[in-house]
Amino acid sequence: AQSVTQLDSQVPVFEEAPVELRCNYSSSVSVYLFWYVQYPNQGLQLLLKYLSGSTLVKGINGFEAEFNKSQTSFHLRKPSVHISDTAEYFCAVSEGSNYQLIWGAGTKLIIKP
Amino acid sequence: DTGVSQDPRHKITKRGQNVTFRCDPISEHNRLYWYRQTLGQGPEFLTYFQNEAQLEKSRLLSDRFSAERPKGSFSTLEIQRTEQGDSAMYLCASTLPGSLKETQYFGPGTRLLVL
Repeated sequence: AQSVTQLDSQVPVFEEAPVELRCNYSSSVSVYLFWYVQYPNQGLQLLLKYLSGSTLVKGINGFEAEFNKSQTSFHLRKPSVHISDTAEYFCAVSEGSNYQLIWGAGTKLIIKP
Repeated sequence: DTGVSQDPRHKITKRGQNVTFRCDPISEHNRLYWYRQTLGQGPEFLTYFQNEAQLEKSRLLSDRFSAERPKGSFSTLEIQRTEQGDSAMYLCASTLPGSLKETQYFGPGTRLLVL
């Protein structure tokens, strides 16, 4: 069965420092991969998605992610974080023939001033 | 485009009571999804509709859970005889017609507390 693992429940980082949020998935078929962000008291918002093509995907707010098929990973990165990036980040996967998203448990990004 | 809306935003109920939540998708979105999110976890898929047809409901958590989308627009999720374990955030999402790769747009959620 499909599963998504976000290895860190919380990631503290200083403002203007780079950050990487890790996501690994298990699937034996082609997948589509997503990162969503949930700001405090708000709904989930799509950051970026990988469907096919270039393995480096750029999203909103300066985030990018790289699909690595051999390592079954889709890590999210930002070169310089801002206090406004404080949120919870969720990785999700959907199989090519499926309709639902399978989600990781989320990673809280904590920005230290 | 007013986004996906959900009502109510918060619901407190006593164990054993029935509750109903409403989701209004983005207009012209024909797919509508319901998820449950508990503290410290990602969303958990419950069910989904294409227009008024409920195409997957095996993931509904028990027979106390049911969902409808009678006219293919708004949807309701009902939980009968609520239990304390039902306390969670209930999320609704909708997508445009087309392939399964379409982005899901989420509402703000309904937070349920069962006392």
